[in-house]
Amino acid sequence: KQEVTQIPAALSVPEGENLVLNCSFTDSAIYNLQWFRQDPGKGLTSLLLIQSSQREQTSGRLNASLDKSSGRSTLYIAASQPGDSATYLCAVSLQGGAGKSTFGDGTTLTVKP
Amino acid sequence: EAQVTQNPRYLITVTGKKLTVTCSQNMNHEYMSWYRQDPGLGLRQIYYSMNVEVTDKGDVPEGYKVSRKEKRNFPLILESPSPNQTSLYFCASTKTGFLSNQPQHFGDGTRLSIL
Repeated sequence: KQEVTQIPAALSVPEGENLVLNCSFTDSAIYNLQWFRQDPGKGLTSLLLIQSSQREQTSGRLNASLDKSSGRSTLYIAASQPGDSATYLCAVSLQGGAGKSTFGDGTTLTVKP
Repeated sequence: EAQVTQNPRYLITVTGKKLTVTCSQNMNHEYMSWYRQDPGLGLRQIYYSMNVEVTDKGDVPEGYKVSRKEKRNFPLILESPSPNQTSLYFCASTKTGFLSNQPQHFGDGTRLSIL
């Protein structure tokens, strides 16, 4: 059974710092990996999706990498801002498991002004 | 505006009283899914639907029913709610399912409290 772990569970940084969030998964036979942002009282907003054949995806100040062989993905946030404060979740979908996905517990990020 | 709409957003009810949480999307997505989110357990998939009249169990389907009679709607039914179903529920949709590598779109959530 696929397990997804996110470390750290919480992170607090001063504004302007670059930071890395980690996601690890136990079954490397994934179809894709997706990073989401969740604000309090809100649903999840998709940030980046990496297909299994890709190594990284970039969107603005965000860069997500994928290393399937080691079962790891990282989300890099450059020049963090207070508006980046939220919970970040990663989710993986398995090959052959059409429609099924597994989420990590998330990392709660606080960026202090 | 492209969106996934859930109703109600909040509901407090009692054990055994049947309830339905509605989910509707306006993006003509084939794939829809229900999740529940609990502290320490993260997001867990309840049911999903690859298309109209096609539904399948996720990881925690016990105590829930779903139906997909039309593409835009995917209601979640609790026939006899129990306190352990108190949770935050999310509906999501994707254009053509996970195999298409399209991102999921989520609703804003429904917070259910079963007393």
